[in-house]
Amino acid sequence: DSGVTQTPKHLITATGQRVTLRCSPRSGDLSVYWYQQSLDQGLQFLIQYYNGEERAKGNILERFSAQQFPDLHSELNLSSLELGDSALYFCASSVDSLNTEAFFGQGTRLTVV
Amino acid sequence: KNEVEQSPQNLTAQEGEFITINCSYSVGISALHWLQQHPGGGIVSLFMLSSGKKKHGRLIATINIQEKHSSLHITASHPRDSAVYICAVRRRSGGSRLTFGEGTQLTVNP
Repeated sequence: DSGVTQTPKHLITATGQRVTLRCSPRSGDLSVYWYQQSLDQGLQFLIQYYNGEERAKGNILERFSAQQFPDLHSELNLSSLELGDSALYFCASSVDSLNTEAFFGQGTRLTVV
Repeated sequence: KNEVEQSPQNLTAQEGEFITINCSYSVGISALHWLQQHPGGGIVSLFMLSSGKKKHGRLIATINIQEKHSSLHITASHPRDSAVYICAVRRRSGGSRLTFGEGTQLTVNP
Protein backbone atom coordinates (compact mmCIF):
# COMPACT_ATOMS: atom_id res chain seq x y z
CA ASP A 1 0.00 0.00 0.00
CA SER A 2 1.60 3.25 -1.19
CA GLY A 3 -0.57 5.43 1.03
CA VAL A 4 -2.04 7.24 -1.98
CA THR A 5 -5.78 6.68 -2.33
CA GLN A 6 -7.70 7.12 -5.54
CA THR A 7 -11.45 6.88 -5.96
CA PRO A 8 -13.32 5.49 -7.70
CA LYS A 9 -11.37 2.47 -8.91
CA HIS A 10 -13.60 2.02 -11.95
CA LEU A 11 -15.89 4.42 -13.78
CA ILE A 12 -18.06 3.80 -16.81
CA THR A 13 -19.76 6.77 -18.36
CA ALA A 14 -21.20 7.95 -21.65
CA THR A 15 -19.72 10.31 -24.19
CA GLY A 16 -20.39 13.95 -23.44
CA GLN A 17 -20.56 13.42 -19.70
CA ARG A 18 -18.40 14.90 -16.95
CA VAL A 19 -16.63 12.95 -14.21
CA THR A 20 -14.48 13.78 -11.20
CA LEU A 21 -11.57 11.62 -10.08
CA ARG A 22 -10.30 12.01 -6.55
CA CYS A 23 -6.86 11.53 -5.03
CA SER A 24 -5.75 11.64 -1.41
CA PRO A 25 -1.96 11.90 -1.17
CA ARG A 26 0.26 10.22 1.42
CA SER A 27 0.21 11.92 4.78
CA GLY A 28 2.70 14.78 4.68
CA ASP A 29 3.08 14.89 0.90
CA LEU A 30 2.53 18.34 -0.56
CA SER A 31 2.87 17.53 -4.26
CA VAL A 32 0.24 15.72 -6.32
CA TYR A 33 0.74 14.60 -9.92
CA TRP A 34 -1.86 13.31 -12.37
CA TYR A 35 -0.88 10.91 -15.15
CA GLN A 36 -2.90 9.30 -17.93
CA GLN A 37 -2.15 5.83 -19.26
CA SER A 38 -3.82 4.97 -22.54
CA LEU A 39 -3.16 2.01 -24.80
CA ASP A 40 -1.80 4.10 -27.66
CA GLN A 41 0.06 6.82 -25.72
CA GLY A 42 1.48 5.03 -22.70
CA LEU A 43 1.93 6.99 -19.49
CA GLN A 44 1.80 10.76 -19.86
CA PHE A 45 2.05 13.59 -17.37
CA LEU A 46 -1.05 15.74 -17.12
CA ILE A 47 -0.61 18.23 -14.30
CA GLN A 48 1.11 18.82 -10.95
CA TYR A 49 -0.05 20.71 -7.88
CA TYR A 50 2.12 21.71 -4.97
CA ASN A 51 0.57 22.86 -1.72
CA GLY A 52 -2.60 23.99 -3.42
CA GLU A 53 -1.07 25.73 -6.42
CA GLU A 54 -0.59 24.52 -9.96
CA ARG A 55 3.14 23.85 -10.45
CA ALA A 56 3.44 22.27 -13.89
CA LYS A 57 1.24 21.40 -16.82
CA GLY A 58 1.77 18.67 -19.36
CA ASN A 59 -0.38 17.21 -22.10
CA ILE A 60 -3.67 18.11 -20.46
CA LEU A 61 -6.64 18.82 -22.67
CA GLU A 62 -8.65 22.01 -22.19
CA ARG A 63 -11.67 19.81 -21.34
CA PHE A 64 -9.73 18.58 -18.31
CA SER A 65 -9.02 20.56 -15.16
CA ALA A 66 -7.69 19.84 -11.71
CA GLN A 67 -7.36 21.44 -8.34
CA GLN A 68 -5.77 20.74 -4.97
CA PHE A 69 -7.72 21.61 -1.86
CA PRO A 70 -6.49 22.98 1.50
CA ASP A 71 -6.47 19.46 2.95
CA LEU A 72 -4.14 18.57 0.01
CA HIS A 73 -6.48 16.11 -1.69
CA SER A 74 -6.81 16.68 -5.40
CA GLU A 75 -9.54 16.25 -7.97
CA LEU A 76 -9.24 15.78 -11.72
CA ASN A 77 -12.31 16.89 -13.64
CA LEU A 78 -12.88 15.49 -17.11
CA SER A 79 -15.70 16.99 -19.17
CA SER A 80 -17.30 16.51 -22.59
CA LEU A 81 -15.90 13.01 -22.50
CA GLU A 82 -14.92 11.28 -25.71
CA LEU A 83 -14.24 7.62 -26.42
CA GLY A 84 -10.53 8.41 -26.62
CA ASP A 85 -10.51 9.58 -23.01
CA SER A 86 -10.87 5.97 -21.88
CA ALA A 87 -7.69 5.26 -19.93
CA LEU A 88 -6.17 4.59 -16.55
CA TYR A 89 -5.69 7.78 -14.59
CA PHE A 90 -3.02 7.71 -11.92
CA CYS A 91 -2.33 10.08 -9.11
CA ALA A 92 1.09 10.20 -7.46
CA SER A 93 2.32 12.19 -4.51
CA SER A 94 5.68 13.24 -3.15
CA VAL A 95 6.95 15.15 -0.16
CA ASP A 96 7.88 18.21 -2.17
CA SER A 97 8.37 19.29 -5.73
CA LEU A 98 12.10 18.64 -5.74
CA ASN A 99 13.91 15.42 -6.51
CA THR A 100 12.04 13.06 -4.25
CA GLU A 101 10.42 9.72 -4.79
CA ALA A 102 6.82 9.67 -5.98
CA PHE A 103 4.28 7.17 -4.72
CA PHE A 104 1.46 6.08 -7.00
CA GLY A 105 -2.17 5.34 -6.27
CA GLN A 106 -3.91 2.29 -7.71
CA GLY A 107 -5.44 4.28 -10.51
CA THR A 108 -8.96 4.96 -11.75
CA ARG A 109 -9.97 3.03 -14.84
CA LEU A 110 -12.26 5.24 -16.91
CA THR A 111 -14.31 3.71 -19.69
CA VAL A 112 -16.27 6.04 -21.95
CA VAL A 113 -19.00 4.30 -23.95
CA LYS B 1 12.21 9.39 -31.12
CA ASN B 2 11.10 8.95 -27.51
CA GLU B 3 13.22 10.57 -24.83
CA VAL B 4 13.15 7.29 -22.88
CA GLU B 5 13.63 4.00 -24.69
CA GLN B 6 13.36 0.57 -23.12
CA SER B 7 14.42 -2.82 -24.37
CA PRO B 8 13.23 -5.40 -24.82
CA GLN B 9 9.52 -4.60 -25.21
CA ASN B 10 8.61 -8.17 -24.29
CA LEU B 11 10.60 -10.74 -22.38
CA THR B 12 9.74 -14.33 -21.52
CA ALA B 13 11.91 -16.24 -19.07
CA GLN B 14 11.93 -19.49 -17.18
CA GLU B 15 11.76 -19.45 -13.42
CA GLY B 16 15.21 -19.01 -11.92
CA GLU B 17 16.72 -17.12 -14.85
CA PHE B 18 18.65 -13.88 -14.49
CA ILE B 19 16.80 -11.05 -16.23
CA THR B 20 18.02 -7.70 -17.51
CA ILE B 21 15.85 -4.83 -18.74
CA ASN B 22 17.55 -1.83 -20.29
CA CYS B 23 16.65 1.84 -20.39
CA SER B 24 18.31 4.56 -22.44
CA TYR B 25 17.44 8.23 -22.30
CA SER B 26 18.42 11.21 -24.39
CA VAL B 27 17.94 14.13 -22.00
CA GLY B 28 19.75 15.42 -18.95
CA ILE B 29 18.16 13.97 -15.86
CA SER B 30 18.15 14.52 -12.13
CA ALA B 31 16.88 11.03 -11.33
CA LEU B 32 15.71 7.81 -12.93
CA HIS B 33 12.92 5.62 -11.60
CA TRP B 34 12.08 1.99 -12.13
CA LEU B 35 8.40 1.17 -11.68
CA GLN B 36 6.46 -2.08 -11.68
CA GLN B 37 2.91 -2.41 -12.95
CA HIS B 38 0.98 -5.61 -12.27
CA PRO B 39 -1.95 -6.85 -14.38
CA GLY B 40 -4.38 -5.22 -11.96
CA GLY B 41 -2.97 -1.88 -13.09
CA GLY B 42 -1.41 -0.45 -9.92
CA ILE B 43 2.07 1.07 -10.15
CA VAL B 44 4.72 0.40 -7.53
CA SER B 45 7.94 2.38 -7.30
CA LEU B 46 10.93 0.02 -7.18
CA PHE B 47 13.94 2.33 -7.29
CA MET B 48 14.93 5.95 -7.64
CA LEU B 49 18.52 6.41 -8.83
CA SER B 50 20.73 9.37 -9.53
CA SER B 51 24.03 7.48 -9.60
CA GLY B 52 25.60 4.08 -9.06
CA LYS B 53 23.65 1.05 -8.01
CA LYS B 54 20.84 0.06 -5.66
CA LYS B 55 19.73 -3.36 -4.49
CA HIS B 56 16.50 -4.52 -2.91
CA GLY B 57 16.06 -8.23 -2.43
CA ARG B 58 16.44 -9.91 -5.81
CA LEU B 59 16.24 -6.62 -7.69
CA ILE B 60 19.28 -4.57 -8.67
CA ALA B 61 19.23 -1.27 -10.53
CA THR B 62 22.25 0.46 -12.01
CA ILE B 63 22.73 3.73 -13.80
CA ASN B 64 25.55 5.16 -15.91
CA ILE B 65 24.99 8.90 -16.15
CA GLN B 66 27.73 9.45 -18.76
CA GLU B 67 26.26 6.83 -21.07
CA LYS B 68 22.64 7.80 -20.25
CA HIS B 69 21.75 4.21 -19.57
CA SER B 70 20.20 2.21 -16.75
CA SER B 71 19.56 -1.47 -16.23
CA LEU B 72 17.17 -3.36 -13.99
CA HIS B 73 18.27 -6.86 -13.08
CA ILE B 74 16.17 -9.58 -11.48
CA THR B 75 18.07 -12.51 -10.02
CA ALA B 76 16.45 -15.93 -9.55
CA SER B 77 13.29 -14.82 -11.34
CA HIS B 78 9.92 -16.10 -10.16
CA PRO B 79 6.46 -16.18 -11.79
CA ARG B 80 5.31 -13.49 -9.35
CA ASP B 81 7.84 -11.14 -11.02
CA SER B 82 5.62 -11.19 -14.13
CA ALA B 83 4.60 -7.59 -14.68
CA VAL B 84 5.32 -4.54 -16.80
CA TYR B 85 8.52 -2.75 -15.79
CA ILE B 86 8.64 0.94 -16.62
CA CYS B 87 11.63 3.24 -16.69
CA ALA B 88 10.89 6.90 -16.00
CA VAL B 89 13.13 9.96 -15.74
CA ARG B 90 12.96 13.32 -14.06
CA ARG B 91 14.39 15.74 -16.58
CA ARG B 92 16.91 18.17 -15.15
CA SER B 93 14.96 21.04 -16.70
CA GLY B 94 11.50 19.55 -16.34
CA GLY B 95 10.75 20.02 -12.67
CA SER B 96 9.66 16.92 -10.82
CA ARG B 97 7.34 15.40 -13.41
CA LEU B 98 8.20 11.99 -14.82
CA THR B 99 8.72 11.07 -18.47
CA PHE B 100 8.12 7.39 -19.11
CA GLY B 101 9.43 4.66 -21.33
CA GLU B 102 6.93 2.36 -23.01
CA GLY B 103 7.52 -0.44 -20.56
CA THR B 104 8.80 -4.01 -20.76
CA GLN B 105 6.30 -6.83 -20.40
CA LEU B 106 8.00 -9.60 -18.43
CA THR B 107 6.53 -13.08 -18.22
CA VAL B 108 8.25 -15.66 -16.02
CA ASN B 109 7.08 -19.19 -16.61
CA PRO B 110 7.27 -21.88 -13.90
